[in-house]
Parts: sequence; structure tokens; C-alpha cells
Amino acid sequence: ELKVEQNPLFLSMQEGKNYTIYCNYSTTSDRLYWYRQDPGKSLESLFVLLSNGAVKQEGRLMASLDTKARLSTLHITAAVHDLSATYFCAVFTGNQFYFGTGTSLTVIP
Amino acid sequence: GAVVSQHPSRVICKSGTSVKIECRSLDFQATTMFWYRQFPKQSLMLMATSNEGSKATYEQGVEKDKFLINHASLTLSTLTVTSAHPEDSSFYICSAKMNTEAFFGQGTRLTVV
Repeated sequence: ELKVEQNPLFLSMQEGKNYTIYCNYSTTSDRLYWYRQDPGKSLESLFVLLSNGAVKQEGRLMASLDTKARLSTLHITAAVHDLSATYFCAVFTGNQFYFGTGTSLTVIP
Repeated sequence: GAVVSQHPSRVICKSGTSVKIECRSLDFQATTMFWYRQFPKQSLMLMATSNEGSKATYEQGVEKDKFLINHASLTLSTLTVTSAHPEDSSFYICSAKMNTEAFFGQGTRLTVV
């Protein structure tokens, strides 16, 4: 059974601090996605990582992919309150997306 | 980016009635669409994969007679929850795949009373 696990599940951090969310998956795939979900809303695409070693950055968020380790990271730099949301990673394989468990991030002033 | 429109965003229905949710790709053709269900504070659970012009592929444990999926055109897929019960209350999300990306609808909050 394919598994996509995120760590941590819940994260409370102070504004200005840095932190990393980890996404481990159990299958071979070179396509990894990160999404953001606000309460009561659908998913918003953040990053699409399509090859080993891919690194993408947007604002205070940076995502990377290591396909050999089956690991992706989402790094948060100098967190601000607006980043509070739930973040999901997803792996695409076998013509479908498999979503991670989600990380609920709360940024405290 | 591509746009996927899902309608309605919220619906309240009585037990025993049926509800149809529409998912449209507005500016691209989607041969494959996905339907998900999401419980509070949980991840997305894939219900079925909808392919244009063919029967949907349902995930294990999803009742195909209860959750009817139709993908009649390259821009429209519908999910009909038949004979709805309170336990069907949930957040339903569709997505459409284009090339290497998935684009998500706004989601539908279904409440069965």
C-alpha cells in the first residue's frame, strides 16, 4: 500500500522563525506536489517538483525533492501569520494523486 | 493557471434526496477528473477517477450506486450523491488533470439533514 507521510502533523511556530515540513513517500515517483488549504477552502497549488534535486522557491516557502530518498521538504523562512494553513504534499503515480496526511501550521504573533 | 469550477459551493439537503455536484474545466480539456472526499481535519480521500467517455473507476469501499459519476464531456464531470444520509455530509472536492498538474475546484460542502 502506497503511503505518503508528513511530519509534523501539527506545527505551532512563532513569527520570524524557520521550520521545515517533511514528506516521505513509499513508492517510486519523480512528481511531487505541495498544496495549501485554508479552513473551509479547497486546495491551492504551491509547488510542482518534477525531477530529483528540484528546488523551487516562492516568497517565504521553498520546496525540494530527493527522489532517491523519497523525501520532499517544505521550508518556511521567517514565518508570518498569513502562512497559517494546512499544507499537503502529494505524489503522482499510477494515474492518480496520493495525498499526505497534512501539516496544520499555526504561526503565532 | 488553469481553472476548475465546482458548483454548488454549499448545499443542504434532506435525507433521502439526491444531490448533484458539477465540476467544469473552464479553459482546458480534461480527459481525467478526480473526486475526493475530505472529513474535518483529515486529508483528501480519493473516491473515484473519472475518465471522459468511459465508466469511472471507484476506490475500494466507495459505493458506485450511491456516488454516481458521469464524465460526459471533456470539460464536465458530475458527482451525484443518491439517497443522501447524514453520514454523507462532508466536503467534496474535484480536480482535473492537465499535463503534469492537477487543478482543484472550490469544493462543495454537503450537509444532509
